[in-house]
Amino acid sequence: DVKVTQSSRYLVKRTGEKVFLECVQDMDHENMFWYRQDPGLGLRLIYFSYDVKMKEKGDIPEGYSVSREKKERFSLILESASTNQTSMYLCASSLPGGPGNTIYFGEGSWLTVV
Amino acid sequence: AQTVTQSQPEMSVQEAETVTLSCTYDTSESDYYLFWYKQPPSRQMILVIRQEAYKQQNATENRFSVNFQKAAKSFSLKISDSQLGDAAMYFCAYRSWGAGNMLTFGGGTRLMVKP
Repeated sequence: DVKVTQSSRYLVKRTGEKVFLECVQDMDHENMFWYRQDPGLGLRLIYFSYDVKMKEKGDIPEGYSVSREKKERFSLILESASTNQTSMYLCASSLPGGPGNTIYFGEGSWLTVV
Repeated sequence: AQTVTQSQPEMSVQEAETVTLSCTYDTSESDYYLFWYKQPPSRQMILVIRQEAYKQQNATENRFSVNFQKAAKSFSLKISDSQLGDAAMYFCAYRSWGAGNMLTFGGGTRLMVKP
């Protein structure tokens, strides 16, 4: 069964803290994604990675960075958390290839920055 | 850039009835995929149905079907015989090679099912 696991479901962090959101997939997928979900805005792509140590900026990369040292793990990093980064963060993965491939999502990490 | 618009922030339907969720998109490409994803309160995003733009036949998955109007750039989701478990956020999404093979989402429609 397909599994994308986000280790932290709920986090509360202080402004200025460095925050790590971890995502692991067990499907040997090359592609991994980080999305941010806000009411009325849907999901917006922050970063994606199509291979180990490879990354590309999405639509809203400012204030975020990512790390992909191993194929199964894709981390989202908030270098200095701010209150406007309070949101739901969704990790996803897929096989490489065409746009018809299914993208599988994790359960999400709800981050509150105070 | 491609955009996806869901004009209905909320919809409600009576159990066992049929409901249609609307989605429009903007693109200059001819080859792409469209998707409907469901996100129940547990937050796990689940693929409901997909449609390839080159296929004229509307996709169907059990009680879920789409009305794909390529010229009008419209992609609506019909849920027949609605069940309580259908209550969720529904997202329309677009993906193509030209868009970097990324999913672009609409803002979502919250569907409530009344018993």
